[in-house]
Amino acid sequence: GQNIDQPTEMTATEGAIVQINCTYQTSGFNGLFWYQQHAGEAPTFLSYNVLDGLEEKGRFSSFLSRSKGYSYLLLKELQMKDSASYLCAPMDSNYQLIWGAGTKLIIKP
Amino acid sequence: GAVVSQHPSWVICKSGTSVKIECRSLDFQATTMFWYRQFPKQSLMLMATSNEGSKATYEQGVEKDKFLINHASLTLSTLTVTSAHPEDSSFYICSAKDLAGGRLFTDTQYFGPGTRLTVL
Repeated sequence: GQNIDQPTEMTATEGAIVQINCTYQTSGFNGLFWYQQHAGEAPTFLSYNVLDGLEEKGRFSSFLSRSKGYSYLLLKELQMKDSASYLCAPMDSNYQLIWGAGTKLIIKP
Repeated sequence: GAVVSQHPSWVICKSGTSVKIECRSLDFQATTMFWYRQFPKQSLMLMATSNEGSKATYEQGVEKDKFLINHASLTLSTLTVTSAHPEDSSFYICSAKDLAGGRLFTDTQYFGPGTRLTVL
């Protein structure tokens, strides 16, 4: 079957760095997306990885290892507004996104 | 770029009535749109995939006669919840793919702001 494993919840301090890990199993693979979802709102696109390695975009970076079925999202210089759920969504052989429940990130002052 | 709108943003209706939700891609053409439902603290659940000019593909367990989807143009898809019941109360979100490429990843789904449906 298809499966995504992310921590349910993480807590970090404003100004710090946090890494949100994601392991996945899918039928085929066509890349992996990270989305941010604030409470009561729809997801917003953060990043897309299809090749192994690190993609950096401002304070956010995303890493992918296809052989390990592993990805992480790295958030630097955390701000209070980064408090949200972060969704790791791999895309299977049918180009369908597979969604888990995401990781709820709580930022404390 | 890649802006998707939804209307209405929230709706309250009586049991047995029908509710139509519109999803529009504002600055790109979307040949494919997706409809999701999300219950509190749960993951997104794909209901159906909608391709412009053809019938929607529904996920297993989703009643196509209850959730009517029409993708009449490259910028508009509608979801109609027919004969709504309290158990249909949820957060409905659409997303769209921009297949024009360019600076956008062609398989990226861009989400509308969602519609919160409450059925009394």
